[in-house]
Amino acid sequence: AQTVTQSQPEMSVQEAETVTLSCTYDTSENNYYLFWYKQPPSRQMILVIRQEAYKQQNATENRFSVNFQKAAKSFSLKISDSQLGDTAMYFCAFERSGNTGKLIFGQGTTLQVKP
Amino acid sequence: NAGVTQTPKFQVLKTGQSMTLQCAQDMNHEYMSWYRQDPGMGLRLIHYSVGAGITDQGEVPNGYNVSRSTTEDFPLRLLSAAPSQTSVYFCASRLAGTGGEQYFGPGTRLTVT
Repeated sequence: AQTVTQSQPEMSVQEAETVTLSCTYDTSENNYYLFWYKQPPSRQMILVIRQEAYKQQNATENRFSVNFQKAAKSFSLKISDSQLGDTAMYFCAFERSGNTGKLIFGQGTTLQVKP
Repeated sequence: NAGVTQTPKFQVLKTGQSMTLQCAQDMNHEYMSWYRQDPGMGLRLIHYSVGAGITDQGEVPNGYNVSRSTTEDFPLRLLSAAPSQTSVYFCASRLAGTGGEQYFGPGTRLTVT
């Protein structure tokens, strides 16, 4: 069975600085997808970034980028130029290929951006 | 598009009561899922469906029932509520295929006393 682990329950960063959130996962699959979702205080889940396992190039979305290390089964999220609106809980999630839409989530990391 | 809608937003139940959490989407998505969110545990999959008439169990299905008679609707039934079912419940939908974005509803906060 696949598992996703986020070992940092809480983190904080000063506005405009850079922060990295960690995620590791365990799977025997070769093809899969990894995601980072953001949950602000409004509780709405929002997709931040997505990575396909067979793509070696790390995904980037504006200030958000990932460091995907397939052999190490690591998938960290880097937030550059942190903004107050980035304050949220961040979830790492795994989906194996197979057309089920099933996501396995990590425990979450609460990020506080300080002014 | 309204996206994914869930009703109610909040609910308090007594132990042993039953109720249905409603979920609807207007994006013609084939896949729909129910998750529960508990502190320190992330989101855990309860049940999911890959199309009308097709449902399957997720990681924590006990005490919950689902059916999918239409593409748009995917209600979650609590058969006999227990305090352990106190949680925030999210419905999600997405297009068929692998790796697509899941669209989440706003969630239902359920308290069982």
